[in-house]
Amino acid sequence: EAGVTQFPSHSVIEKGQTVTLRCDPISGHDNLYWYRRVMGKEIKFLLHFVKESKQDESGMPNNRFLAERTGGTYSTLKVQPAELEDSGVYFCASSQEQGLPQHFGDGTRLSIL
Amino acid sequence: QQQVKQSPQSLIVQKGGISIINCAYENTAFDYFPWYQQFPGKGPALLIAIRPDVSEKKEGRFTISFNKSAKQFSLHIMDSQPGDSATYFCAASSGYNQGGKLIFGQGTELSVKP
Repeated sequence: EAGVTQFPSHSVIEKGQTVTLRCDPISGHDNLYWYRRVMGKEIKFLLHFVKESKQDESGMPNNRFLAERTGGTYSTLKVQPAELEDSGVYFCASSQEQGLPQHFGDGTRLSIL
Repeated sequence: QQQVKQSPQSLIVQKGGISIINCAYENTAFDYFPWYQQFPGKGPALLIAIRPDVSEKKEGRFTISFNKSAKQFSLHIMDSQPGDSATYFCAASSGYNQGGKLIFGQGTELSVKP
């Protein structure tokens, strides 16, 4: 069984540019979560999809971040325009049901210059 | 406001020793407490988890101790090995009713010296 796949693994862009991160969850997992870890701090929740619907987006920092999950399969997280404080590692996780163990991808390391 | 506090930030242990990482939480609605292990360049991987109806759970060399009244839980790694060197995160969740989102501690970098 393939795990959670994220790409790109690394992205370096300049402030003001746009970046799109992609997450492919484990097949059959309806629940998809995005998290972010800023250097040296805790991993923080961003949002939660159940199939194609946003269940909880309370962790999204601001309206420069847009997450989508069209068709309830893969998800994208777009940052537009990127700011310096957006640098960090963005993780995606999926689970079969809410409350069951979440499986994480290897993350996308985003650097804003 | 950090809902899950983890300590220490870093830990050095000799091979064969016991590694102990502690976490404290505030929200009494939390009902699921997992520990994740992360190696450099990889994502967090679930190591072991506990629910508040038990005080201890053991899987191999890894044990979670849970103190509901003190709102604390800890990870013990017995007979620590160099291969255990990684970053460890505790987390808490309100489970199904809150969508299962995880609230993480700040992480502990464990180094096991040979």
